[in-house]
Amino acid sequence: KAGVTQTPRYLIKTRGQQVTLSCSPISGHRSVSWYQQTPGQGLQFLFEYFSETQRNKGNFPGRFSGRQFSNSRSEMNVSTLELGDSALYLCASSSPNRTSGTGSYEQYFGPGTRLTVT
Amino acid sequence: GNSVTQMEGPVTLSEEAFLTINCTYTATGYPSLFWYVQYPGEGLQLLLKATKADDKGSNKGFEATYRKETTSFHLEKGSVQVSDSAVYFCALSELGAQKLVFGQGTRLTINP
Repeated sequence: KAGVTQTPRYLIKTRGQQVTLSCSPISGHRSVSWYQQTPGQGLQFLFEYFSETQRNKGNFPGRFSGRQFSNSRSEMNVSTLELGDSALYLCASSSPNRTSGTGSYEQYFGPGTRLTVT
Repeated sequence: GNSVTQMEGPVTLSEEAFLTINCTYTATGYPSLFWYVQYPGEGLQLLLKATKADDKGSNKGFEATYRKETTSFHLEKGSVQVSDSAVYFCALSELGAQKLVFGQGTRLTINP
C-alpha cells in the first residue's frame, strides 16, 4: 500500500506571496492532519480534517488554512508569507477503522514539504 | 494543556551501548503514547506505541513502558547500531482527537 505523499517536496517563495501544499493520504484513510516543524518551535499541530470537515485546529493565525476533498486528499494554504513560515510541513493520515486504544489513532506521516520564504 | 518533555540532546553513544531517552508527559485523562523516529531528510516514522497504563510498546529492539504513576514513557534499547542514528520524538495523542503533541526531539548519534 502506498504511503502518504506530499507535493511539492521543496518550495521557495517570497515574503507576501501565498503557497498551497498538497497531501494524499494512505488509501482508505479519511483523517488528515498537518504539522509544522521548525528548529525553534519543534513540531506543532496545525489542523485536522475528516470527511471534508475541519475537526481540530492548532494555535496558528488565520493565514494558515486548509481543506479536504471528497477523495480525502488535503491541501493547506498559507497566505501573505512571512520569513517565520519557513519550515518543514508534514502531513499525516490515519484511519478511524484502526484504533489504538482510547479513541486515538496511529498517524502515518509523509516526507514533508520544505518551504523556504525569502 | 497537554505537554511532553524529553531529555535534552544531542546524545552520542558507541555502537552496542545501552540507550535510554527519557520522556515525561502532562495530560488530562489517559492519552496514547508514541515514539516516532525521523531520519535525515525524511518524515516521521512510528517506532512504537502504548495505549494504556503498564502497556509496553516494542519494535526493532526498542522498548518503552507506559508508566502512569510517574507519567513517563522512556525509550530504551539494549544495543544500539550506527543505523539507529536519527532524531527521536516522544508524543501523546489527546483523547479522541487526531492531534499529536510532541516533545522537542532528541538527536541520537551512534559512532562505530
